[in-house]
Amino acid sequence: AQSVSQHNHHVILSEAASLELGCNYSYGGTVNLFWYVQYPGQHLQLLLKYFSGDPLVKGIKGFEAEFIKSKFSFNLRKPSVQWSDTAEYFCARKPNDYKLSFGAGTTVTVRA
Amino acid sequence: NAGVTQTPKFQVLKTGQSMTLQCAQDMNHEYMSWYRQDPGMGLRLIHYSVGAGITDQGEVPNGYNVSRSTTEDFPLRLLSAAPSQTSVYFCASSDGANTGELFFGEGSRLTVL
Repeated sequence: AQSVSQHNHHVILSEAASLELGCNYSYGGTVNLFWYVQYPGQHLQLLLKYFSGDPLVKGIKGFEAEFIKSKFSFNLRKPSVQWSDTAEYFCARKPNDYKLSFGAGTTVTVRA
Repeated sequence: NAGVTQTPKFQVLKTGQSMTLQCAQDMNHEYMSWYRQDPGMGLRLIHYSVGAGITDQGEVPNGYNVSRSTTEDFPLRLLSAAPSQTSVYFCASSDGANTGELFFGEGSRLTVL
């Protein structure tokens, strides 16, 4: 079965610190990868996505992710976080059909 | 543009009761799905539909039914609620064809006592 694993369950950092969240996917099938964000009390929103082409993908709110095929990874990064980046972040993969498989999520807490 | 609308936002049930979570989208998306979100487990797919009249099971379908009589609506039915079904439920839709990007509703928090 296709799976997505996220390395960190909870990350706590200070404003202006750099953020990197790990995501690995299992081998096989089409590699369509996503990062979603869920702010407290809100629904999931798309941050960025990768289908093909440039492996460095830029998303909204200063986030970017790098697809590294040899490592089966799609890590999310932000050079300098803000308090408003406090949220839960989900990596997801769409294999050959319509369904998305989600990782367990990483809670990010940014302290002012 | 309303997007994906879920009702109710909050519901408390007693064990054994039944209820329906409603989901409607106005984007003419073919694909609709229901997920449940539990701490430490991410989102798990319950049921999905690739078009009107077509439904299929996801990872955790037991205890839930769905139907898709129209493109717009995709209700989720709990037949006999159990405490294990206490969760936050999200409906999502997608055009499916190109990007596969899911558009989510705001969620329904269900507590089963």
